[in-house]
Amino acid sequence: DVKVTQSSRYLVKRTGEKVFLECVQDMDHENMFWYRQDPGLGLRLIYFSYDVKMKEKGDIPEGYSVSREKKERFSLILESASTNQTSMYLCASSLQGAARSDTQYFGPGTRLTVL
Amino acid sequence: DAKTTQPPSMDCAEGRAANLPCNHSTISGNEYVYWYRQIHSQGPQYIIHGLKNNETNEMASLIITEDRKSSTLILPHATLRDTAVYYCIVRALGNTPLVFGKGTRLSVIA
Repeated sequence: DVKVTQSSRYLVKRTGEKVFLECVQDMDHENMFWYRQDPGLGLRLIYFSYDVKMKEKGDIPEGYSVSREKKERFSLILESASTNQTSMYLCASSLQGAARSDTQYFGPGTRLTVL
Repeated sequence: DAKTTQPPSMDCAEGRAANLPCNHSTISGNEYVYWYRQIHSQGPQYIIHGLKNNETNEMASLIITEDRKSSTLILPHATLRDTAVYYCIVRALGNTPLVFGKGTRLSVIA
């Protein structure tokens, strides 16, 4: 089974802190994604990556950056955390390829609270 | 924006079939229909996907209309553990992220 793990289930940080959210997948997937989920807004894509050292902006990249130094690991970075970044953060991975239908596998999520 | 329309909520009696509808009238020829669900406080879970033929796996069945403008996810014998938000998503193959709408909140009642 595909396993996507996230470094923390719950995290509390203070405004202005630099925050790292880590995601690791063990199935050699090329694609990795970061979403945030807020009540009434559903899941929104922050950033995604199709390969090591590659990244693409999603729908709401402002205030975030990402790092993909190794294929299995995709990090989301909040350079200076703000209270409006309090949210559930979800990481996902999938196989690459237009020749086959692919599915995304999600981690359990990290609930981040910024005080 | 999500390209699908789903009812916000549905109830289903335990042991009965749950039929979750989805409208996707603007679906393109190269777009698949995907279904995911999210149980409270967990990440979304893949259920099933299809292009134009009906599909079945160990979790559910997917019925797609001939014109592909709508589909129905069927959970044949719903259990309390199937209580979740169910998302219908259309997307093309390849490196395209999922776009989640608001989904249908299914409540399975004992």
